[in-house]
Amino acid sequence: SQQGEEDPQALSIQEGENATMNCSYKTSINNLQWYRQNSGRGLVHLILIRSNEREKHSGRLRVTLDTSKKSSSLLITASRAADTASYFCATGDYKLSFGAGTTVTVRA
Amino acid sequence: EAGVAQSPRYKIIEKRQSVAFWCNPISGHATLYWYQQILGQGPKLLIQFQNNGVVDDSQLPKDRFSAERLKGVDSTLKIQPAKLEDSAVYLCASSLQALYEQYFGPGTRLTVT
Repeated sequence: SQQGEEDPQALSIQEGENATMNCSYKTSINNLQWYRQNSGRGLVHLILIRSNEREKHSGRLRVTLDTSKKSSSLLITASRAADTASYFCATGDYKLSFGAGTTVTVRA
Repeated sequence: EAGVAQSPRYKIIEKRQSVAFWCNPISGHATLYWYQQILGQGPKLLIQFQNNGVVDDSQLPKDRFSAERLKGVDSTLKIQPAKLEDSAVYLCASSLQALYEQYFGPGTRLTVT
């Protein structure tokens, strides 16, 4: 099964700064999803980008997908303390495979 | 809309004991998933149901794990007997159909001592 790998493993930023994390995967995909996990709300779906899309926005989130490089990036703009969480990319159609995640800490 | 419900939230057992987890998916969601998430890792799919049929259980350790989804709604995941390496968070998720966005429950944190 396909599996994404997130980079970096951990990220610490100041409130108001932008946070960028990357996901690389091994085989061709039809779509890629990003999820967020924190202690308060559990695992939450953020955004799904299809293989024929290059960029997608949702509020302060921007996701890009480069199928030629088999990679995706998640950008969080103007970060807030509430963005402190682990972020996972997930690939697969009927069966999702998650990476180990990027842990983001937003400092006040 | 009510989310995915799971119980219990926490469970501590000794190795070789048995344990069961319960999941109630979002109403109308045909697809139900059980994941295992070990500390520091991403969730790993254990089993996927479509209504009350198993779609994928290739990563379920069938010698000790079992799961059922009677009547295509609630589901239970059982471990018998538990091993130390089963200590993890067990997440249940549901989706309207496969390929759709998955909604996750709060999880059950299992500690095996």
